[in-house]
Amino acid sequence: NAGVTQTPKFRVLKTGQSMTLLCAQDMNHEYMYWYRQDPGMGLRLIHYSVGEGTTAKGEVPDGYNVSRLKKQNFLLGLESAAPSQTSVYFCATSLTGNTEAFFGQGTRLTVV
Amino acid sequence: GESVGLHLPTLSVQEGDNSIINCAYSNSASDYFIWYKQESGKGPQFIIDIRSNMDKRQGQRVTVLLNKTVKHLSLQIAATQPGDSAVYFCAENYGGSQGNLIFGKGTKLSVKP
Repeated sequence: NAGVTQTPKFRVLKTGQSMTLLCAQDMNHEYMYWYRQDPGMGLRLIHYSVGEGTTAKGEVPDGYNVSRLKKQNFLLGLESAAPSQTSVYFCATSLTGNTEAFFGQGTRLTVV
Repeated sequence: GESVGLHLPTLSVQEGDNSIINCAYSNSASDYFIWYKQESGKGPQFIIDIRSNMDKRQGQRVTVLLNKTVKHLSLQIAATQPGDSAVYFCAENYGGSQGNLIFGKGTKLSVKP
């Protein structure tokens, strides 16, 4: 039982490159979230999903896209990476909108 | 806009003392609150939660207090241990079933032996 797994754990991108971060969960949770965490900051919500086939914008959605084609996977895409997107990205899942969220181990992304 | 915030960015306590970490929220529609602990290089871990129909909830060595009148949330850690050293975040859900879980900036707790 892996819980919440993020792929990759580390990545370095050049400005303008694209990439996709994968979040996979085996907890059968409906809700999935993508956050970014910058040094000395809390977690800021990028996008979230309340179920398969649905997505919604969070606090800081610009420059990111997401997809939830399968219940167990939530993908975060960067179409044209910018240095401002250098951050640690966390995926989380929860059974409902009013239950605890479980987090993955994070993806450290550096854009140069 | 409405947001979750913390009064103290850092807190240093002596081992064995009690710790209190505070959080202010401004969205009166928030109905669910969670405290998370984040150790260096790891994802946040759930500590305790509380719903808006409660004022207090206790766990193992931790207590969360909710004061809806002044929109204030606190986390109390009894007999603080070195292993409690971490950054603590409060989070609120003001989207109800919409799942909009918003985090505060965090408080770093340092425990001196």
